[in-house]
Amino acid sequence: EPEVTQTPSHQVTQMGQEVILRCVPISNHLYFYWYRQILGQKVEFLVSFYNNEISEKSEIFDDQFSVERPDGSNFTLKIRSTKLEDSAMYFCASSPRETVNTEAFFGQGTRLTVV
Amino acid sequence: AQTVTQSQPEMSVQEAETVTLSCTYDTSENNYYLFWYKQPPSRQMILVIRQEAYKQQNATENRFSVNFQKAAKSFSLKISDSQLGDTAMYFCAFMKHADFNKFYFGSGTKLNVKP
Repeated sequence: EPEVTQTPSHQVTQMGQEVILRCVPISNHLYFYWYRQILGQKVEFLVSFYNNEISEKSEIFDDQFSVERPDGSNFTLKIRSTKLEDSAMYFCASSPRETVNTEAFFGQGTRLTVV
Repeated sequence: AQTVTQSQPEMSVQEAETVTLSCTYDTSENNYYLFWYKQPPSRQMILVIRQEAYKQQNATENRFSVNFQKAAKSFSLKISDSQLGDTAMYFCAFMKHADFNKFYFGSGTKLNVKP
């Protein structure tokens, strides 16, 4: 069964460094999302992406964040200058369309630790 | 603003028994959808069950059923005949109508099914 895959499963980075989290959505999906979960807190929406542009972003998704679909298969989340508070589990998701009966498929997450 | 609350951080149940996970939410929306997602250890989050708010009938999927009380803004998940494979983190989620795949998640309930 097709799956959304995320790499790496765990990334440790130094504060101030740039980090790129990678996701391979399901191949025929058109809509892509990033969510994050800070330890002990709720899973929060970051951004949705369709047709090579951001559809919607939350207030968390500030200028240090960017998303890209560089090659038609990967969907990346870049954090330019990481802060300690960026430490979280980041989930990628994809969906074939955006209608009431479609399901978003999630990856297993990348745990980002900023030290 | 939408909020989702899961008041049980962790629960345990014996194999073959029934367990109910609680979820309450707050919204001023009238049309929306509610979901339960399951995340097994180190695995993807997968959809368990979905409920449309305009439907009075409670959704069921095999051993999984919900008790949707719209007036009380309550959406509990009942798992019957619990199996070891049901061990997972369970997230309750809310989605506004036409705001597809932009979920508001609860903080999760960790369910342990004991042999």
